Amino acid sequence: DIQMTQSPSSLSASVGDRVTITCRASQGISNYLAWFQQKPGKAPKSLIYAASSLQSGVPSKFSGSGSGTDFTLTISSLQPEDFATYYCQQYNSYPWTFGQGTKVEIK
Amino acid sequence: QVQLVESGGGLVKPGGSLRLSCAASGFTFSDYYMSWIRQAPGKGLEWVSYISSSGSTIYYADSVKGRFTISRDNAKNSLYLQMNSLRAEDTAVYYCARGLLWFGVDYGMDVWGQGTTVTVSS
Repeated sequence: DIQMTQSPSSLSASVGDRVTITCRASQGISNYLAWFQQKPGKAPKSLIYAASSLQSGVPSKFSGSGSGTDFTLTISSLQPEDFATYYCQQYNSYPWTFGQGTKVEIK
Repeated sequence: QVQLVESGGGLVKPGGSLRLSCAASGFTFSDYYMSWIRQAPGKGLEWVSYISSSGSTIYYADSVKGRFTISRDNAKNSLYLQMNSLRAEDTAVYYCARGLLWFGVDYGMDVWGQGTTVTVSS
């Protein structure tokens, strides 16, 4: 199975900050990488597919990059509605696997 | 609007069975592959199962293989998860999600339902 490791596990940031979350795959997954945002008590929301493509309706402050084993999610200017937990997920091979999540909290 | 609505969750004793359903609306269900994903209380996301748009290809996580069965009825715009031999560790919120493979591009799981809670306890 492919292991997905996110870093950091949590971070504190202020409104307006630029935030970067890293996701590393235990083996190459090409660009079969998605990012999700989840708020407490809610279903995950898809942000990015194919490592860097924005899902329809997702604001451009979110961006993704990477290929192979190393990927990043960047939020260009953190807003109050962005405080949430973020997950990466590989869909290169079965079983699909998720990172452990990165909780973005208010500083 | 595009919507997925799960149902069928509840409290069940260890060794028991449940059948989850996911009703799709607002899109052409038969164009999309579907998955079940679960989240144990206070934990992260765990992919459970996948079924292709036609139903001809199915995959399971090792943790549920041999106990869970995914199926779909494209005429009824519905996805199902039959869960047998349930264990305490199956306790989780279960989400269904759709995904699209179109002209060689996999758009991933872009729409998720609100989830249904399964509790396995004596």
